[in-house]
Amino acid sequence: AQTVTQSQPEMSVQEAETVTLSCTYDTSESDYYLFWYKQPPSRQMILVIRQEAYKQQNATENRFSVNFQKAAKSFSLKISDSQLGDAAMYFCAYLRAGNQFYFGTGTSLTVIP
Amino acid sequence: DVKVTQSSRYLVKRTGEKVFLECVQDMDHENMFWYRQDPGLGLRLIYFSYDVKMKEKGDIPEGYSVSREKKERFSLILESASTNQTSMYLCASSLAPAGGGFYGYTFGSGTRLTVV
Repeated sequence: AQTVTQSQPEMSVQEAETVTLSCTYDTSESDYYLFWYKQPPSRQMILVIRQEAYKQQNATENRFSVNFQKAAKSFSLKISDSQLGDAAMYFCAYLRAGNQFYFGTGTSLTVIP
Repeated sequence: DVKVTQSSRYLVKRTGEKVFLECVQDMDHENMFWYRQDPGLGLRLIYFSYDVKMKEKGDIPEGYSVSREKKERFSLILESASTNQTSMYLCASSLAPAGGGFYGYTFGSGTRLTVV
């Protein structure tokens, strides 16, 4: 079975600074998708960013970007210019087409004013 | 705005009760999923469904069952609630193919269930 590992249970960042959340995964597949979801205190899971494994270019969405290292099976999330509203639990997720999601255990991000 | 709606935000039930958690989506999605979320364990898949009246076990189905009589509604049933089922329950839906392909899931806001 696929596994997704988030080795940082908690992280903190000063407002306006940059933070990187780590994620590694285990798979023998070559075609798959990777996602970062954000869960704020409202509990609504929100898609932050997604990456197709066949694309070498790292995905970017405004202040959010990823560092996708396929050979190393690493998929880290970088948040630039951190804002108070970025405080949330962040989940890394792996998906193989036609299969189910596998989620990591989450990283709780605190943004310090 | 598309939605996945879970009927209860908070629920308190007694041990041994039969508990129904309801989830409704308005996006005409084929696939629906039930997860439980526990601190340090992330999200674990309980059951999922790719079509009406169809269901498949996930990773932790014991103590749970599901019902999908209509495409838009997916119910999670705790046949006899126990204290170890105290958790956050998240419903999600996606377009076919299974798992939603590149588009991922749309989640509900969760039901925090406490069994006393």
